[in-house]
Amino acid sequence: GAGVSQSPSNKVTEKGKDVELRCDPISGHTALYWYRQSLGQGLEFLIYFQGNSAPDKSGLPSDRFSAERTGGSVSTLTIQRTQQEDSAVYLCASSQGRERTTEAFFGQGTRLTVV
Amino acid sequence: AQSVTQLDSQVPVFEEAPVELRCNYSSSVSVYLFWYVQYPNQGLQLLLKYLSGSTLVKGINGFEAEFKKSETSFHLTKPSAHMSDAAEYFCAVSHPGGSNYKLTFGKGTLLTVNP
Repeated sequence: GAGVSQSPSNKVTEKGKDVELRCDPISGHTALYWYRQSLGQGLEFLIYFQGNSAPDKSGLPSDRFSAERTGGSVSTLTIQRTQQEDSAVYLCASSQGRERTTEAFFGQGTRLTVV
Repeated sequence: AQSVTQLDSQVPVFEEAPVELRCNYSSSVSVYLFWYVQYPNQGLQLLLKYLSGSTLVKGINGFEAEFKKSETSFHLTKPSAHMSDAAEYFCAVSHPGGSNYKLTFGKGTLLTVNP
């Protein structure tokens, strides 16, 4: 596609359930980011994938959060045993990575509500 | 490690008044700098970027920013605000060299425009 695609756009889940959020980056982009945006908290870095390198997981807030990127393209962010404080908008972005400018292109986000 | 500080969480201006959104960064090496804008219920989009060359960078919608290395700043300005400029603005930094091209974002500044 022409841009970064995220699905679902909205997700309401019950506390304690697991959720999966999907990101389809721009074709050919080697770098992929996940960010969380909570009200009043700004943009919080979660995880960064760059090509075949080991991901930078330094932003994941707890071991309930994990992410993978299959075949260097699609990424899935998984939140296990969701808590109410996980409610936020989860943004995915991709960029061309090495040897290019590192401008990131963002998806529209997934709004997660934990009830 | 790099970091970005957006000094104001919210900036109110009147329509047609000048706008200045402040951004300072911390880095021991050379940087790329970016401003992104997020309109309500949308993803982030690139407003402008500084990679090299002229330190005064012009972006979309009449915005510009000046890279001042001595002050480690990259403030965003616009001579005259429009109602349509009301949005959240994010400053970001990355490094042109090394193995880590990760974008680091500030917390964001909410620009409100009053008639």
